[in-house]
Amino acid sequence: EIVMTQSPATLSVSPGERATLSCRASQSVRNNLAWYQQKPGQAPRLLIYGASTRATGIPARFSGSGSGTELTLTISSLQSEDSAVYYCQQYNNWPQTFGQGTKLEIK
Amino acid sequence: QLQLQESGPGLVKPSETLSLTCTVSSDSISSSSYYWGWIRQPPGKGLEWIGSIYYSGNTFYNPSLMSRVTISVDTSKNHFSLKLNSVTAADTAVYYCARQVTVFGAVKWFDPWGQGTLVIVSS
Repeated sequence: EIVMTQSPATLSVSPGERATLSCRASQSVRNNLAWYQQKPGQAPRLLIYGASTRATGIPARFSGSGSGTELTLTISSLQSEDSAVYYCQQYNNWPQTFGQGTKLEIK
Repeated sequence: QLQLQESGPGLVKPSETLSLTCTVSSDSISSSSYYWGWIRQPPGKGLEWIGSIYYSGNTFYNPSLMSRVTISVDTSKNHFSLKLNSVTAADTAVYYCARQVTVFGAVKWFDPWGQGTLVIVSS
């Protein structure tokens, strides 16, 4: 099983600044990675797939990069509504696995 | 717009079977482009993939749950179902269903998700 490790566990950033969230895989997932945003009491929402392709309707301030074992989600010019928990998911190997999440707080 | 809705008992006794159904609307569950998956989230914790099914009945299960899980599909009712037997308190979670994209036969990301349903295992 591929273990996905997200860092940091919690990130506090001011509005308008940039947030960088990391997802490390225990073995290569190539670019078979998705990012999700989950707000309290809501289901996860797809942000990024294929490591770097934004899903329909996702603002351009969300971007994904990396491949292999080191992948990154960058949120530029943070807005208050970006406060959420962010999860990565690898779908390169069965079983598909999620990271433990990064909680993003807006100062 | 595609919608998924989970339904089933919110309270299950220990050692019994958890049964949930996900009803798909505004799209056919028989589409050749998608699998349909179950994911769960214990309170305050992260996401765990349970398993996924194709309209033909082909399934993938998480090995950690495989001995207790059955996922089935009913194309006539446009829904798919989850059964988890011999439940314990550790199975208390919000259970989500979601559509899973396939690309050249490879099963990929989840989009969209249902709103989720909380299942509590308690006597």
